[in-house]
Amino acid sequence: GAVVSQHPSRVICKSGTSVKIECRSLDFQATTMFWYRQFPKQSLMLMATSNEGSKATYEQGVEKDKFLINHASLTLSTLTVTSAHPEDSSFYICSARDEGADNIQYFGAGTRLSVL
Amino acid sequence: AQTVTQSQPEMSVQEAETVTLSCTYDTSESDYYLFWYKQPPSRQMILVIRQEAYKQQNATENRFSVNFQKAAKSFSLKISDSQLGDAAMYFCAYRGSGGSNYKLTFGKGTLLTVNP
Repeated sequence: GAVVSQHPSRVICKSGTSVKIECRSLDFQATTMFWYRQFPKQSLMLMATSNEGSKATYEQGVEKDKFLINHASLTLSTLTVTSAHPEDSSFYICSARDEGADNIQYFGAGTRLSVL
Repeated sequence: AQTVTQSQPEMSVQEAETVTLSCTYDTSESDYYLFWYKQPPSRQMILVIRQEAYKQQNATENRFSVNFQKAAKSFSLKISDSQLGDAAMYFCAYRGSGGSNYKLTFGKGTLLTVNP
Protein backbone atom coordinates (compact mmCIF):
# COMPACT_ATOMS: atom_id res chain seq x y z
CA GLY A 1 0.00 0.00 0.00
CA ALA A 2 0.86 3.66 -0.21
CA VAL A 3 3.01 5.30 2.44
CA VAL A 4 2.01 8.20 4.67
CA SER A 5 4.62 9.76 6.91
CA GLN A 6 3.66 11.58 10.08
CA HIS A 7 6.09 13.63 12.12
CA PRO A 8 6.88 13.89 14.96
CA SER A 9 5.93 10.56 16.47
CA ARG A 10 6.01 11.99 19.94
CA VAL A 11 6.10 15.51 21.30
CA ILE A 12 6.12 16.91 24.83
CA CYS A 13 5.42 20.59 25.27
CA LYS A 14 4.61 23.10 27.94
CA SER A 15 1.12 24.43 28.45
CA GLY A 16 0.48 27.50 26.33
CA THR A 17 2.84 26.63 23.51
CA SER A 18 1.90 25.59 19.97
CA VAL A 19 2.78 22.31 18.34
CA LYS A 20 2.83 21.49 14.63
CA ILE A 21 2.31 17.97 13.29
CA GLU A 22 3.11 17.15 9.67
CA CYS A 23 1.46 14.55 7.46
CA ARG A 24 3.05 13.66 4.12
CA SER A 25 1.98 11.32 1.38
CA LEU A 26 5.28 9.91 0.11
CA ASP A 27 4.38 8.09 -3.09
CA PHE A 28 1.09 9.59 -4.18
CA GLN A 29 -0.65 12.93 -4.35
CA ALA A 30 -3.43 13.54 -1.89
CA THR A 31 -5.99 16.26 -2.49
CA THR A 32 -7.70 15.18 0.69
CA MET A 33 -6.20 14.33 4.03
CA PHE A 34 -7.94 13.65 7.32
CA TRP A 35 -7.02 14.34 10.92
CA TYR A 36 -8.19 12.08 13.72
CA ARG A 37 -7.87 12.02 17.46
CA GLN A 38 -7.78 8.78 19.39
CA PHE A 39 -8.27 8.43 23.13
CA PRO A 40 -6.90 5.34 24.92
CA LYS A 41 -8.72 2.15 24.03
CA GLN A 42 -11.19 4.01 21.86
CA SER A 43 -11.90 4.35 18.19
CA LEU A 44 -10.70 7.11 15.91
CA MET A 45 -12.60 10.37 16.07
CA LEU A 46 -12.52 12.47 12.91
CA MET A 47 -11.52 16.05 13.68
CA ALA A 48 -11.35 17.59 10.23
CA THR A 49 -11.03 17.02 6.52
CA SER A 50 -8.14 18.84 4.90
CA ASN A 51 -8.46 19.79 1.22
CA GLU A 52 -5.52 21.01 -0.81
CA GLY A 53 -5.80 24.68 -1.61
CA SER A 54 -8.92 25.32 0.41
CA LYS A 55 -10.08 25.63 3.98
CA ALA A 56 -10.43 22.56 6.10
CA THR A 57 -13.83 21.25 7.07
CA TYR A 58 -14.12 20.67 10.79
CA GLU A 59 -16.39 18.20 12.53
CA GLN A 60 -18.94 19.45 14.99
CA GLY A 61 -17.43 20.33 18.33
CA VAL A 62 -13.87 20.74 17.08
CA GLU A 63 -12.44 24.20 17.71
CA LYS A 64 -11.13 25.67 14.47
CA ASP A 65 -8.93 28.21 16.23
CA LYS A 66 -7.45 25.58 18.49
CA PHE A 67 -6.63 23.08 15.74
CA LEU A 68 -5.29 24.91 12.70
CA ILE A 69 -5.02 22.88 9.52
CA ASN A 70 -3.07 23.82 6.44
CA HIS A 71 -2.93 21.77 3.23
CA ALA A 72 -0.64 23.84 1.05
CA SER A 73 0.52 21.12 -1.33
CA LEU A 74 -0.69 17.82 -2.72
CA THR A 75 1.63 15.90 -0.43
CA LEU A 76 1.59 17.83 2.83
CA SER A 77 -0.98 18.72 5.45
CA THR A 78 -0.16 20.18 8.84
CA LEU A 79 -2.10 20.31 12.10
CA THR A 80 -1.11 22.98 14.58
CA VAL A 81 -2.39 22.70 18.11
CA THR A 82 -2.38 26.29 19.34
CA SER A 83 -1.97 27.29 22.97
CA ALA A 84 -1.91 23.67 23.99
CA HIS A 85 -3.29 22.63 27.36
CA PRO A 86 -3.12 19.32 29.22
CA GLU A 87 -6.57 18.35 27.97
CA ASP A 88 -5.18 18.45 24.41
CA SER A 89 -2.87 15.57 25.29
CA SER A 90 -3.85 12.72 23.01
CA PHE A 91 -2.87 10.56 20.07
CA TYR A 92 -3.35 12.32 16.74
CA ILE A 93 -3.46 10.37 13.47
CA CYS A 94 -3.55 11.61 9.90
CA SER A 95 -4.61 9.80 6.77
CA ALA A 96 -4.40 10.60 3.08
CA ARG A 97 -6.83 9.66 0.37
CA ASP A 98 -5.24 7.93 -2.61
CA GLU A 99 -7.36 8.78 -5.65
CA GLY A 100 -5.34 6.36 -7.73
CA ALA A 101 -6.21 3.50 -5.40
CA ASP A 102 -9.97 3.69 -5.22
CA ASN A 103 -9.84 6.52 -2.69
CA ILE A 104 -8.49 4.29 0.04
CA GLN A 105 -7.27 6.13 3.13
CA TYR A 106 -3.72 5.31 4.17
CA PHE A 107 -2.68 6.28 7.64
CA GLY A 108 0.33 7.85 9.26
CA ALA A 109 1.88 6.26 12.33
CA GLY A 110 0.39 8.85 14.65
CA THR A 111 1.70 11.50 17.02
CA ARG A 112 1.50 11.24 20.77
CA LEU A 113 1.14 14.73 22.21
CA SER A 114 1.78 15.29 25.90
CA VAL A 115 1.15 18.77 27.28
CA LEU A 116 2.67 19.46 30.68
CA ALA B 1 -26.21 8.92 9.34
CA GLN B 2 -24.29 5.74 8.88
CA THR B 3 -23.34 3.72 11.93
CA VAL B 4 -20.95 0.83 12.38
CA THR B 5 -21.31 -1.61 15.25
CA GLN B 6 -18.74 -4.05 16.49
CA SER B 7 -20.41 -6.04 19.22
CA GLN B 8 -17.30 -7.87 20.45
CA PRO B 9 -15.04 -5.57 22.49
CA GLU B 10 -12.54 -8.40 22.94
CA MET B 11 -11.84 -11.75 21.33
CA SER B 12 -9.15 -14.35 21.80
CA VAL B 13 -7.90 -17.18 19.63
CA GLN B 14 -5.29 -19.88 19.87
CA GLU B 15 -2.38 -19.67 17.50
CA ALA B 16 -3.11 -21.52 14.22
CA GLU B 17 -6.86 -21.48 14.88
CA THR B 18 -9.55 -19.50 13.10
CA VAL B 19 -11.43 -16.52 14.51
CA THR B 20 -14.29 -14.41 13.18
CA LEU B 21 -14.83 -10.77 14.10
CA SER B 22 -18.32 -9.34 13.68
CA CYS B 23 -19.40 -6.03 12.20
CA THR B 24 -22.81 -4.68 11.31
CA TYR B 25 -23.67 -1.34 9.81
CA ASP B 26 -26.62 0.80 9.02
CA THR B 27 -26.99 2.79 5.82
CA SER B 28 -29.61 3.89 3.34
CA GLU B 29 -27.13 3.93 0.47
CA SER B 30 -26.98 1.14 -2.07
CA ASP B 31 -23.37 1.65 -3.11
CA TYR B 32 -20.60 1.91 -0.55
CA TYR B 33 -17.33 0.42 0.63
CA LEU B 34 -16.45 -1.53 3.75
CA PHE B 35 -13.03 -1.95 5.29
CA TRP B 36 -11.23 -3.75 8.05
CA TYR B 37 -8.25 -1.93 9.51
CA LYS B 38 -5.80 -3.37 12.00
CA GLN B 39 -4.09 -1.32 14.70
CA PRO B 40 -1.30 -3.26 16.42
CA PRO B 41 0.41 -2.03 19.59
CA SER B 42 2.54 0.29 17.46
CA ARG B 43 -0.78 2.09 16.73
CA GLN B 44 -0.09 2.22 12.99
CA MET B 45 -3.40 1.73 11.19
CA ILE B 46 -3.04 -0.92 8.50
CA LEU B 47 -5.62 -1.77 5.86
CA VAL B 48 -6.42 -5.48 6.07
CA ILE B 49 -9.14 -5.93 3.49
CA ARG B 50 -11.88 -4.04 1.66
CA GLN B 51 -15.18 -4.87 0.01
CA GLU B 52 -17.19 -2.97 -2.56
CA ALA B 53 -20.90 -3.32 -1.91
CA TYR B 54 -21.73 -3.89 -5.57
CA LYS B 55 -19.51 -6.96 -5.67
CA GLN B 56 -21.22 -10.14 -4.57
CA GLN B 57 -18.00 -12.09 -4.21
CA ASN B 58 -16.45 -11.94 -0.77
CA ALA B 59 -13.00 -10.35 -0.64
CA THR B 60 -10.01 -12.45 0.33
CA GLU B 61 -6.43 -11.47 1.18
CA ASN B 62 -4.29 -14.46 2.05
CA ARG B 63 -5.41 -15.62 5.53
CA PHE B 64 -8.03 -12.88 5.79
CA SER B 65 -11.48 -13.16 4.27
CA VAL B 66 -14.82 -11.49 4.76
CA ASN B 67 -18.40 -12.68 4.86
CA PHE B 68 -20.37 -9.83 3.32
CA GLN B 69 -24.12 -10.12 3.70
CA LYS B 70 -25.58 -7.00 2.09
CA ALA B 71 -29.20 -7.63 2.94
CA ALA B 72 -28.32 -8.26 6.57
CA LYS B 73 -25.82 -5.35 6.55
CA SER B 74 -23.20 -7.62 8.02
CA PHE B 75 -19.47 -7.64 7.27
CA SER B 76 -17.49 -10.13 9.33
CA LEU B 77 -13.75 -10.78 9.14
CA LYS B 78 -12.36 -14.28 9.31
CA ILE B 79 -8.72 -14.81 10.19
CA SER B 80 -7.44 -18.27 9.41
CA ASP B 81 -4.30 -19.89 10.83
CA SER B 82 -3.98 -17.10 13.37
CA GLN B 83 -0.48 -15.86 14.09
CA LEU B 84 0.95 -14.00 17.06
CA GLY B 85 1.41 -10.98 14.81
CA ASP B 86 -2.34 -10.82 14.26
CA ALA B 87 -2.81 -9.57 17.80
CA ALA B 88 -4.21 -6.07 17.45
CA MET B 89 -7.26 -3.86 17.62
CA TYR B 90 -9.43 -4.41 14.56
CA PHE B 91 -11.70 -1.67 13.29
CA CYS B 92 -14.52 -2.10 10.83
CA ALA B 93 -15.16 0.99 8.72
CA TYR B 94 -17.79 2.23 6.26
CA ARG B 95 -17.37 4.72 3.42
CA GLY B 96 -20.04 6.16 1.19
CA SER B 97 -19.90 5.78 -2.56
CA GLY B 98 -18.43 9.07 -3.59
CA GLY B 99 -19.05 12.70 -4.30
CA SER B 100 -17.35 14.71 -1.60
CA ASN B 101 -18.00 12.09 1.01
CA TYR B 102 -14.82 10.10 1.44
CA LYS B 103 -15.05 10.04 5.20
CA LEU B 104 -14.71 6.78 7.07
CA THR B 105 -17.12 5.83 9.82
CA PHE B 106 -15.42 3.50 12.27
CA GLY B 107 -16.78 0.98 14.70
CA LYS B 108 -15.52 0.93 18.27
CA GLY B 109 -13.09 -1.86 17.57
CA THR B 110 -12.41 -5.43 18.69
CA LEU B 111 -9.26 -6.23 20.59
CA LEU B 112 -7.90 -9.57 19.38
CA THR B 113 -5.55 -11.57 21.56
CA VAL B 114 -3.65 -14.50 20.07
CA ASN B 115 -2.58 -17.13 22.58
CA PRO B 116 0.50 -19.24 21.86
